[in-house]
Amino acid sequence: AQKITQTQPGMFVQEKEAVTLDCTYDTSDQSYGLFWYKQPSSGEMIFLIYQGSYDEQNATEGRYSLNFQKARKSANLVISASQLGDSAMYFCAMSWPYSNNAGNMLTFGGGTRLMVKP
Amino acid sequence: SAVISQKPSRDICQRGTSLTIQCQVDSQVTMMFWYRQQPGQSLTLIATANQGSEATYESGFVIDKFPISRPNLTFSTLTVSNMSPEDSSIYLCSVAPRQGRRNTEAFFGQGTRLTVV
Repeated sequence: AQKITQTQPGMFVQEKEAVTLDCTYDTSDQSYGLFWYKQPSSGEMIFLIYQGSYDEQNATEGRYSLNFQKARKSANLVISASQLGDSAMYFCAMSWPYSNNAGNMLTFGGGTRLMVKP
Repeated sequence: SAVISQKPSRDICQRGTSLTIQCQVDSQVTMMFWYRQQPGQSLTLIATANQGSEATYESGFVIDKFPISRPNLTFSTLTVSNMSPEDSSIYLCSVAPRQGRRNTEAFFGQGTRLTVV
């Protein structure tokens, strides 16, 4: 069974500084994907970044980068130059193949609430 | 990227009633997933909906409480039946690219914020 752990229930960061949100995972699968989502107070889930288990390079998307350390089973999200609009819940998730490989389900971590201070 | 329209976005319902949530995708997808997010909690998978077959439910979720329809490759509904205040949650539908396409995203609808009074 897959398990995702986010050990930081809440974090503060000063505007314009960088912040790292931790995520560790546990799986016996060799093929999986790791996702980060942002959830503002509106409740929608906004996709931020994806890392495949076979990707050799760390994923980057604008101000977001994923620090993927496969041997340690960690997939930390780094947000550079924090903005006030970054204040939200952040979820790490792992995808694993459905039984007929026709789509992927997601297992979510408990989330981290990020608060950006002006 | 797939666009998912989910409605209603929110509702306040009386206990004992049922609510049907709709999820429309702008492209054909094999699998659709329904998640529940209880207040202050993370997302939990309710069931997987595959067109042409019955949904597959995760442990703790049953068809009588959360019946799901999947009439075609672009649409699904989730019904929350005989609601109680404990059903107050955000419900989200999700899709993933079909086999053969690189799975870089799992897309979510906007979510349905349900309050049962």
